[in-house]
Amino acid sequence: RKEVEQDPGPFNVPEGATVAFNCTYSNSASQSFFWYRQDCRKEPKLLMSVYSSGNEDGRFTAQLNRASQYISLLIRDSKLSDSATYLCVVNTLSQGNLIFGKGTKLSVKP
Amino acid sequence: EAGVAQSPRYKIIEKRQSVAFWCNPISGHATLYWYQQILGQGPKLLIQFQNNGVVDDSQLPKDRFSAERLKGVDSTLKIQPAKLEDSAVYLCASSPNREGTEAFFGQGTRLTVV
Repeated sequence: RKEVEQDPGPFNVPEGATVAFNCTYSNSASQSFFWYRQDCRKEPKLLMSVYSSGNEDGRFTAQLNRASQYISLLIRDSKLSDSATYLCVVNTLSQGNLIFGKGTKLSVKP
Repeated sequence: EAGVAQSPRYKIIEKRQSVAFWCNPISGHATLYWYQQILGQGPKLLIQFQNNGVVDDSQLPKDRFSAERLKGVDSTLKIQPAKLEDSAVYLCASSPNREGTEAFFGQGTRLTVV
């Protein structure tokens, strides 16, 4: 089982749609969780951290379920500029490194 | 604030040749990562430094890859000899600490082995 697994994608959605990405992780000792965004041929950039209580940043909502080892990202009212690859990232404090999922590609169409 | 600097941006070499990549992290960042990203995949961690010490190099192919961060600041990653399957983007990232706060990435070096 891979350490971090994501929906295979790609997701092709119209502008204004709501889209959800899912991610599971295998190491129950994982402590920190993130969603990164990567535009085509660019470097990954932090989109948002994920907290146990859930957190929201504008149109983006992240959720964490430690019992199920599951992370989600919800994007409401999709914009053309949201088109990118979304990477689920997990940190295990004992290892202190960031493990990336394969990423899910999102294309938002007019 | 200056970001993570990497060079070169692009490199084309023949198989069995050697190549080196350079990274200068954000000033004051103790943690430095090297990742390999093959087209269509997520970044794969090759090696992690804390200051000038190696924290994790379990996925570094040590028969051909080496990395150093001698003074705890900038770092080099070397491949010798290169194979076709080493074609990828090599990303350097830095973070203030090991506790999983935000990692900042450089623009990467795109390596093509022919």
